[in-house]
Amino acid sequence: GQQVMQIPQYQHVQEGEDFTTYCNSSTTLSNIQWYKQRPGGHPVFLIQLVKSGEVKKQKRLTFQFGEAKKNSSLHITATQTTDVGTYFCAGGAQKLVFGQGTRLTINP
Amino acid sequence: GAGVSQTPSNKVTEKGKYVELRCDPISGHTALYWYRQSLGQGPEFLIYFQGTGAADDSGLPNDRFFAVRPEGSVSTLKIQRTERGDSAVYLCASSLGTRNEQFFGPGTRLTVL
Repeated sequence: GQQVMQIPQYQHVQEGEDFTTYCNSSTTLSNIQWYKQRPGGHPVFLIQLVKSGEVKKQKRLTFQFGEAKKNSSLHITATQTTDVGTYFCAGGAQKLVFGQGTRLTINP
Repeated sequence: GAGVSQTPSNKVTEKGKYVELRCDPISGHTALYWYRQSLGQGPEFLIYFQGTGAADDSGLPNDRFFAVRPEGSVSTLKIQRTERGDSAVYLCASSLGTRNEQFFGPGTRLTVL
């Protein structure tokens, strides 16, 4: 079945440093979604990418979908303490297959 | 309601018992999903409904797990003869259509002793 891998599993940065998480799928994806889960919270939708090579920005967050639609990345510029949490990518149409997430911690 | 609600928030039960977990989706959302999340892992798909029918139940681990959505709104996930390995957070999500963003509820933390 479809598998979605994310790296790194953990990332610790100093506040103000950049952060990137990478997502790779074993199969071509129709779309990819990104979610953020704060400690003790539930996943919250960030964005959906559909087109090959698509790039979307939300303030300090930049999302990319690979040309082959098998990989994606999330880059955060100049992290802030509010960015703490686990970032998940998820592929699929109805049945989302989630990666294992990248847990981001920040030293203020 | 403002968002997806789930009850109970916590459920502790003994091995072998039967449990029901309830999900109340956002009003008007036709698609409803159940996921299971273990510590340190991403949500794992269990089943999704489009309206009243289960459109894909391929994620249900075995026949002890069953879910219903009789009126196309509230859904109940039912687990028979619970096992310790069933302990996890059970998340419900809903969406306007099956290709839209999914809105997650706060989850039910199930502990099987």
